[in-house]
Amino acid sequence: DAGVTQSPTHLIKTRGQQVTLRCSPKSGHDTVSWYQQALGQGPQFIFQYYEEEERQRGNFPDRFSGHQFPNYSSELNVNALLLGDSALYLCASSFGDRFEAFFGQGTRLTVV
Amino acid sequence: AQTVTQSQPEMSVQEAETVTLSCTYDTSESNYYLFWYKQPPSRQMILVIRQEAYKQQNATENRFSVNFQKAAKSFSLKISDSQLGDTAMYFCAFIQGAQKLVFGQGTRLTINP
Repeated sequence: DAGVTQSPTHLIKTRGQQVTLRCSPKSGHDTVSWYQQALGQGPQFIFQYYEEEERQRGNFPDRFSGHQFPNYSSELNVNALLLGDSALYLCASSFGDRFEAFFGQGTRLTVV
Repeated sequence: AQTVTQSQPEMSVQEAETVTLSCTYDTSESNYYLFWYKQPPSRQMILVIRQEAYKQQNATENRFSVNFQKAAKSFSLKISDSQLGDTAMYFCAFIQGAQKLVFGQGTRLTINP
């Protein structure tokens, strides 16, 4: 079992650019959630995808968007990058209404 | 709003000692789950222990145990016989329904040889 995998592991972008982060859920999981973790902080919920639809969303601007594919993998897109978007982006997968979430190793995004 | 508070930004103990990390939370819900996650330098968030709010018995997982006080909305983690590999950031988290996890700010735990 490969667990939750995220790509890339590190990324450097320039202000104003766009970025796409990818996540493959743990085998058998159908729900994907994305979190932003600023340095020294706890993760903050961005949004959750289930059955290819955004099921719920945290307090993030519309520059943050996502997608879930039929194979349950997911993408996080961020447009018009700001310096403040620099963070560790974590993907978590779960199954249906089960509470336990499994996390990937994250993507470290640096905006310069 | 649901919030989770960890009042200890950093803690440090000697190997083999017992350490307790504190967590309080705020919710108006009666049915929810609480978790402790460990985040080592590898960055991956690893589930340490979970507690269902409707269960009065405190959860235990080997050297890890919790003290769950529902009325006080307190959820502390006790690590017994601490090991060097326990060095990490520890996050307390709350979830209600198949919803988002709400995390605390974290406690940086260092186990010294």
